[in-house]
Amino acid sequence: KAGVTQTPRYLIKTRGQQVTLSCSPISGHRSVSWYQQTPGQGLQFLFEYFSETQRNKGNFPGRFSGRQFSNSRSEMNVSTLELGDSALYLCASSRTAGVTEAFFGQGTRLTVV
Amino acid sequence: TQLLEQSPQFLSIQEGENLTVYCNSSSVFSSLQWYRQEPGEGPVLLVTVVTGGEVKKLKRLTFQFGDARKDSSLHITAAQPGDTGLYLCAGPDSNYQLIWGAGTKLIIKP
Repeated sequence: KAGVTQTPRYLIKTRGQQVTLSCSPISGHRSVSWYQQTPGQGLQFLFEYFSETQRNKGNFPGRFSGRQFSNSRSEMNVSTLELGDSALYLCASSRTAGVTEAFFGQGTRLTVV
Repeated sequence: TQLLEQSPQFLSIQEGENLTVYCNSSSVFSSLQWYRQEPGEGPVLLVTVVTGGEVKKLKRLTFQFGDARKDSSLHITAAQPGDTGLYLCAGPDSNYQLIWGAGTKLIIKP
């Protein structure tokens, strides 16, 4: 059974640009959550999608957005990138709405220069 | 607001030693999970504890959930370099979103 797949693994972007990250959950999992991880802040919850609907949202500015497709694959977008957006972005999938156990992808390392 | 505090933040020990790391809260959790994360990778779920007082063993790792379901501990016996990583605890809030501790960075020196 394939795990959670995130693409790309690494990205370098310039301030002001936008970026789209992709996540394919484990087959049969319908919930996808996104997290930002930085050394200083730890794991910060961005949002959760279930059945193509945003179920929960963390405390991040509107520059961070996401969506989920009918096949449960999810994308997140960050517009007008700032230096502080440099982080490891992690996607986690779970079977049902709400996250009681999370299965993570390897993450996308975003560097903003 | 439910919070999870992990201690110590950082631990560096020699191979073969024993260690315990902690995950504490003032709030009750329905369950707690422990994850291990290696550099540049996503966290990997190690165990979920559900019942107060529950003890689970995973080879040399022993996980305990406090009787009041407010805290948990992870004990490693005879630590090995392969145990090196960031250990994270997490638990669901009332909205079934995981709340995360800041983690314990563990280094096992050969």
